[in-house]
Amino acid sequence: DIQMTQSPSSLSASVGDRVTFTCRSSHDINTHLNWYQQKPGKAPKLLIFAASTLESGVPSRFSGSGSGTDFSLTISSLQPDDFATYYCQQSHSTFVITFGGGTKVEMK
Amino acid sequence: QLQLQESGPGLVKPSETLSLNCTVSDGSVTSSSYYWGWIRQSPGKGLEWIGNIYYTGTTYYSPSLKSRVTISLDTSKSHFSLRMTSVTAADTAIYFCVRTFIRRSYFDSWGQGTLVTVSS
Repeated sequence: DIQMTQSPSSLSASVGDRVTFTCRSSHDINTHLNWYQQKPGKAPKLLIFAASTLESGVPSRFSGSGSGTDFSLTISSLQPDDFATYYCQQSHSTFVITFGGGTKVEMK
Repeated sequence: QLQLQESGPGLVKPSETLSLNCTVSDGSVTSSSYYWGWIRQSPGKGLEWIGNIYYTGTTYYSPSLKSRVTISLDTSKSHFSLRMTSVTAADTAIYFCVRTFIRRSYFDSWGQGTLVTVSS
C-alpha cells in the first residue's frame, strides 16, 4: 500500500496568517493527490485535486503544489471559516486508496 | 444537486454483521464516470477507505477489510450497500457513503455520515 504522512498533525494560527502543511507519500504518485477539508460533525469536502487544481467554488486563498512524493497545501490568508482538519488522499492507486492522518488547524 | 443518504442500524453487537444502505438522489448509479463506495472514520481519528463498486458490479476493497466486507449495488433502486461481518469494537465509526470520480479518483460527493457503534 501507499502510505501517506501529513505534518504537522496540528498547528495553531491566527486569522490572516499564511499557513502551509505537507503530505508525503511512501511512493512516487506523480500528481495523483487530493486534499479535503473537514469541519467537526461534517463530511469532508474536496478542496484540491490532481495536487494543484482547485475544485469549483473553493476560494482562491487555497493552493496546492507538489509532485512525486512531496506535496503541500497553502492557505494564503487564514479566514475564520478555515479552522478545520485537512486530509490528503492519494489517487495513484485507484484500487487501494489511502489518506493521510490529517492536519488540524486551530486558532491561536 | 446530488445527495447521498446513509441508513441503517446505529448499534450492532460484536461478532454480528453491520449493514448500511446509501440512497443516491439523482439515480446516477449507472453512470460510467463514477464509482460508489464507503469510507469510515473512527471517533476522533482519520479517514479509512473501505471499498468501491462500479455500475457493472466490479468491486475494489481495502486489503485490511476485504475478508469481511461486501459492497453491492441495486441500480433499479438507486442505492448501494455495505455489509461487514464479524464486527468488533474497532469497527465503531462514522460511515460515509461517497461518489468517486473515476478519472481522477477523488471523492466529490459525500453522505452526511452515520455513526455505527459496536457494543453488546
